[in-house]
Amino acid sequence: DAGVTQSPTHLIKTRGQQVTLRCSPKSGHDTVSWYQQALGQGPQFIFQYYEEEERQRGNFPDRFSGHQFPNYSSELNVNALLLGDSALYLCASSLKGNTIYFGEGSWLTVV
Amino acid sequence: DAKTTQPPSMDCAEGRAANLPCNHSTISGNEYVYWYRQIHSQGPQYIIHGLKNNETNEMASLIITEDRKSSTLILPHATLRDTAVYYCIVRVGGHTGGFKTIFGAGTRLFVKA
Repeated sequence: DAGVTQSPTHLIKTRGQQVTLRCSPKSGHDTVSWYQQALGQGPQFIFQYYEEEERQRGNFPDRFSGHQFPNYSSELNVNALLLGDSALYLCASSLKGNTIYFGEGSWLTVV
Repeated sequence: DAKTTQPPSMDCAEGRAANLPCNHSTISGNEYVYWYRQIHSQGPQYIIHGLKNNETNEMASLIITEDRKSSTLILPHATLRDTAVYYCIVRVGGHTGGFKTIFGAGTRLFVKA
């Protein structure tokens, strides 16, 4: 049973560029959440998708957007990258409101 | 803001029980207590959760006080591989309107040989 998978695992982008991160939820899960984790800090909630709609959003600017596809997979898009966007981006999935499980994350470095 | 407070760090001797406390004094009746841990550079790993009763699984035990304002995660026989940051989180169950999972800074547990 595959867990939550994320791609790519590492990437480097230049300031001002755009990035897309991808997530496949754990088998049987229908809800996907995204988190940003800066070095030395706890994960910060970005947003959550269910039934292809954004259901909850944390305190992140509109440069952060997402999408959920009919197969429940999800993408996180970040536009106009800033140096401060460098972080580990975590995807987590759940079956509705049940326990969430995390992927291993995508490390983004903005230079 | 996180709804939980945890000590920033703790030490534990290998083979001994590790008891990690968490305060959640503003917890609501429909909020569960969840524990995760994160080993360096990996995604958080689910450990255990509970509503009001004590819970035990193959990884740990969770003790929730009767007033639900605090809880303790117990690792009965800590090993070096249990060295990690442990996060205590409270969140609603159910799914109406979606839900947020807000992390605090967690407790950095050092298990020493």
